[in-house]
Amino acid sequence: DTGVSQNPRHKITKRGQNVTFRCDPISEHNRLYWYRQTLGQGPEFLTYFQNEAQLEKSRLLSDRFSAERPKGSFSTLEIQRTEQGDSAMYLCASSLAGGTHYGYTFGSGTRLTVV
Amino acid sequence: AQTVTQSQPEMSVQEAETVTLSCTYDTSENNYYLFWYKQPPSRQMILVIRQEAYKQQNATENRFSVNFQKAAKSFSLKISDSQLGDTAMYFCAFIPYNQGGKLIFGQGTELSVKP
Repeated sequence: DTGVSQNPRHKITKRGQNVTFRCDPISEHNRLYWYRQTLGQGPEFLTYFQNEAQLEKSRLLSDRFSAERPKGSFSTLEIQRTEQGDSAMYLCASSLAGGTHYGYTFGSGTRLTVV
Repeated sequence: AQTVTQSQPEMSVQEAETVTLSCTYDTSENNYYLFWYKQPPSRQMILVIRQEAYKQQNATENRFSVNFQKAAKSFSLKISDSQLGDTAMYFCAFIPYNQGGKLIFGQGTELSVKP
């Protein structure tokens, strides 16, 4: 297992287009988290899954954002009708449900630029 | 609201010297975990050190140690014998024990180690 994998690493899109990001967590981790990080700021929580169930969504996650984790394995984060304010690094992390006190393992992130 | 505050946006230190990064947090919880994460330029976030709130003994990992003051809600990171590879953004983070393992991050401190 090579850790948490995120694809693509970079995405440039035009305003109004839809984009989808993928995260492959560490295989034995049943929790998966999505965070957004803007330049010079700390990551902000978006949502998390335990297995295939989405357990919490932040108020930051507008109706244009949707996340899925079918079969409790990989996850996708889709942004519809992108806006310039969506430009950010989108981070995925995973952990064991009983092991969050050990911290998360993060992926390298997907950097989104909306032009 | 639970918050994490890092009051030093940028710091610099000479190679081989010691530097301390500050972090304070606000919570009404009694049980929680604290973390310092390192994010090198264009690289993924990695865990540096963790502290369990119910332990009075300060955590140490090689050149990294913390000063945990629970009553003051303070959690500073000391880096001894600084190395060029320590150059990175450092984030303080906090997980309340019973809130789904959602990490709450500070704004980050950008540390530059100078030769």
